[in-house]
Amino acid sequence: AQSVAQPEDQVNVAEGNPLTVKCTYSVSGNPYLFWYVQYPNRGLQFLLKYITGDNLVKGSYGFEAEFNKSQTSFHLKKPSALVSDSALYFCAVRDRDAGNMLTFGGGTRLMVKP
Amino acid sequence: GAVVSQHPSWVICKSGTSVKIECRSLDFQATTMFWYRQFPKQSLMLMATSNEGSKATYEQGVEKDKFLINHASLTLSTLTVTSAHPEDSSFYICSVYGIQRSYEQYFGPGTRLTVT
Repeated sequence: AQSVAQPEDQVNVAEGNPLTVKCTYSVSGNPYLFWYVQYPNRGLQFLLKYITGDNLVKGSYGFEAEFNKSQTSFHLKKPSALVSDSALYFCAVRDRDAGNMLTFGGGTRLMVKP
Repeated sequence: GAVVSQHPSWVICKSGTSVKIECRSLDFQATTMFWYRQFPKQSLMLMATSNEGSKATYEQGVEKDKFLINHASLTLSTLTVTSAHPEDSSFYICSVYGIQRSYEQYFGPGTRLTVT
């Protein structure tokens, strides 16, 4: 079985400050890891993914995430937050040895204040 | 990137009626499509996986006779909520997974269903 945990329901950051949204995962095999963002009443937009290779992954809108195998984490980061980054963020995992199913974390609401 | 559309974007129906939601993959062939539902302020819950030309696979607890899924072509999947009840009110999101883009799923904009 695979699972994802996002321990924070909400993260509050001041505009211009760095942000981190935490994610840990559990899979039997090797993971494919993803971050998605969701704006109100919209579907999910892909931000970035880790498949293999460099542990630091850069994605859309200045976001990046670091794959840490020993800590089974894939935290989302951005050096300088924007008010427009305020949204709901989902971490997701797929076990590359166990089919196509994507499992989502519970989501973290990011609030960036001016 | 892939473009996935859903129709309608929102629908209001009366209790007891049926509603069909369409999901289209606009720029590549989707061998597998997923249907999710999302309650307010909650994560996405996978309802079923549909493969083109075969029966959908439903997740535990999802009534297959209530949520009918048809994946008749590589670009179209439909979800029909039969005999809808107020508790079926939710945000339904489809996702496509195509062999040409083997690592990513692309999500539709979602359909807001309200059953009165």
